[in-house]
Amino acid sequence: DAMVIQNPRYQVTQFGKPVTLSCSQTLNHNVMYWYQQKSSQAPKLLFHYYDKDFNNEADTPDNFQSRRPNTSFCFLDIRSPGLGDAAMYLCATSRAGTGFALPTDTQYFGPGTRLTVL
Amino acid sequence: AQSVTQLDSQVPVFEEAPVELRCNYSSSVSVYLFWYVQYPNQGLQLLLKYLSGSTLVKGINGFEAEFNKSQTSFHLRKPSVHISDTAEYFCAVRAARGTGFQKLVFGTGTRLLVSP
Repeated sequence: DAMVIQNPRYQVTQFGKPVTLSCSQTLNHNVMYWYQQKSSQAPKLLFHYYDKDFNNEADTPDNFQSRRPNTSFCFLDIRSPGLGDAAMYLCATSRAGTGFALPTDTQYFGPGTRLTVL
Repeated sequence: AQSVTQLDSQVPVFEEAPVELRCNYSSSVSVYLFWYVQYPNQGLQLLLKYLSGSTLVKGINGFEAEFNKSQTSFHLRKPSVHISDTAEYFCAVRAARGTGFQKLVFGTGTRLLVSP
């Protein structure tokens, strides 16, 4: 009964080699988020999708892109991974309304993908 | 904008002892408050949340937290911890109202270390 699924759980890539991380959800939530979490730090929001609308955080590097082909799936693409991009990448989902934030707009996280860059 | 302070980066405690993990927040508007737990190499799991109503909130695994508006605090407590509670705990805050997207702001985390 997994609700937010991330694949793979562990990903090793080479410096500069593009990599894609995937997230799927069975909650039918309209918002999906990608966070980067480095060792011993808080998760840092990279971007989120509100339905099909993509919203980038101002300080997210251009090296990070995302795609959401349908409600259930969201992908994180790192075009040219650097050593500093090694981290845990967390996907989260929530059900949000328009205008005011709903009390039900609680984020549910997947298990994460740990990315190693060699 | 909101901010969260978790003053203790690490809290060591013996098994079966009580524990309190501290969280203070800053916000000019009403907020929703959350505690998440993260076990090694795993994602974040929601422990509990305060949205409105009773200031004492009970969550999973025997944890509870109390919202104190005057102190702007949302401390997490457990009366008797187990070895399996060893994990990183994150406090998070989000504006309760606003137009558009309301970002979830995390604290820096508190590592709870439970020893026999």
